[in-house]
Amino acid sequence: AQKITQTQPGMFVQEKEAVTLDCTYDTSDQSYGLFWYKQPSSGEMIFLIYQGSYDEQNATEGRYSLNFQKARKSANLVISASQLGDSAMYFCADPYNQGGKLIFGQGTELSVKP
Amino acid sequence: NAGVTQTPKFQVLKTGQSMTLQCAQDMNHEYMSWYRQDPGMGLRLIHYSVGAGITDQGEVPNGYNVSRSTTEDFPLRLLSAAPSQTSVYFCASSHSGAGEQYFGPGTRLTVT
Repeated sequence: AQKITQTQPGMFVQEKEAVTLDCTYDTSDQSYGLFWYKQPSSGEMIFLIYQGSYDEQNATEGRYSLNFQKARKSANLVISASQLGDSAMYFCADPYNQGGKLIFGQGTELSVKP
Repeated sequence: NAGVTQTPKFQVLKTGQSMTLQCAQDMNHEYMSWYRQDPGMGLRLIHYSVGAGITDQGEVPNGYNVSRSTTEDFPLRLLSAAPSQTSVYFCASSHSGAGEQYFGPGTRLTVT
């Protein structure tokens, strides 16, 4: 069975600083990659970034990048130059078994301080 | 292109009532899924579908029913609502089995 673990229930970061949100996956089935989603207080789920298991380079999308370490089974999200609008819940998720479904971690609530 | 739409946005039910949460997508995605989100938890998979006519159970299927008669629609039925089903429900669709999932805006359901 797949299990996704986010060990940081809450994080604080100063505006303009970088922050790393942790995510590890514990898989007995093959993992095809990891997604990160952002959920602001308005409630919608916003796709941020994806890393495929076989991608050679760490994924980057604007201020978001993934620190993917296959040996450690971790896919940590790095947000550079934090902005007040980055305050939200962040979830990592695994598309296990390629069945068009995701298993989610518990989430990390990020608060950006001015 | 509306993406994934869900209706209603809010619903209050009494214990024992039944209702259907509607989900539709206009992206011709084969894969659709339903999740529930409870406070302090991530999203948990209720049911999913890999194409019209094919559905399967997820992590928390009890008390819910689904069908997929068309590619576009994937309704979720609550058979006999219970307070434990108070939650926010998200529908999602994707083009491929491991591809990005597009989420609807969610339905906030309260069962009293």
